[in-house]
Amino acid sequence: AQSVAQPEDQVNVAEGNPLTVKCTYSVSGNPYLFWYVQYPNRGLQFLLKYITGDNLVKGSYGFEAEFNKSQTSFHLKKPSALVSDSALYFCAVREGNAGNMLTFGGGTRLMVKP
Amino acid sequence: GAGVSQSPRYKVTKRGQDVALRCDPISGHVSLYWYRQALGQGPEFLTYFNYEAQQDKSGLPNDRFSAERPEGSISTLTIQRTEQRDSAMYRCASSPQFREDRVRKPGELFFGEGSRLTVL
Repeated sequence: AQSVAQPEDQVNVAEGNPLTVKCTYSVSGNPYLFWYVQYPNRGLQFLLKYITGDNLVKGSYGFEAEFNKSQTSFHLKKPSALVSDSALYFCAVREGNAGNMLTFGGGTRLMVKP
Repeated sequence: GAGVSQSPRYKVTKRGQDVALRCDPISGHVSLYWYRQALGQGPEFLTYFNYEAQQDKSGLPNDRFSAERPEGSISTLTIQRTEQRDSAMYRCASSPQFREDRVRKPGELFFGEGSRLTVL
């Protein structure tokens, strides 16, 4: 079975500082990894994905994530946080070779303070 | 339309009533998914379709829940004899496909804004 862990319920960071939102996964085959963001009263929006290739993936709004196979991690990062980045972030995994179901983590609330 | 459209956005019903939630995916997207999301938690898989075929319904909680996509486009999630524990946000997503090693695979999911169901 595949699973995702987001160990932090909330991450607090000051505007302009770098941010990291952690994600680890468990899957039997090759992982396809995704990050989504959810703003209040909105649907989930796709940020970025790792399928294959370069371990550092760049996505929307200046976010990036690094795939680390040995640590089974896919942490979300941004060099300089904005107040408008405050939202709920979800990591998700799919088993690449055979799976179609996307499994989500429990979410991490990012609070960026001015 | 430009995005995934879900209706109704809000539904309040009494325990024991049946409800039907509708999803209109992005035009041309082959795969359609239903998820349920409780407050403060991640989305939980219910079922998904490729075209009109239901490929996996392992996430449906019990036989009161069913879904269909008869023409491979619009999908309906039906909950019969609703119970208070069914109250949640129900999210639909559609996905394009991409080729990898000559095999078509689903890409990222594009979500609608959800249907919030409240069972009194």
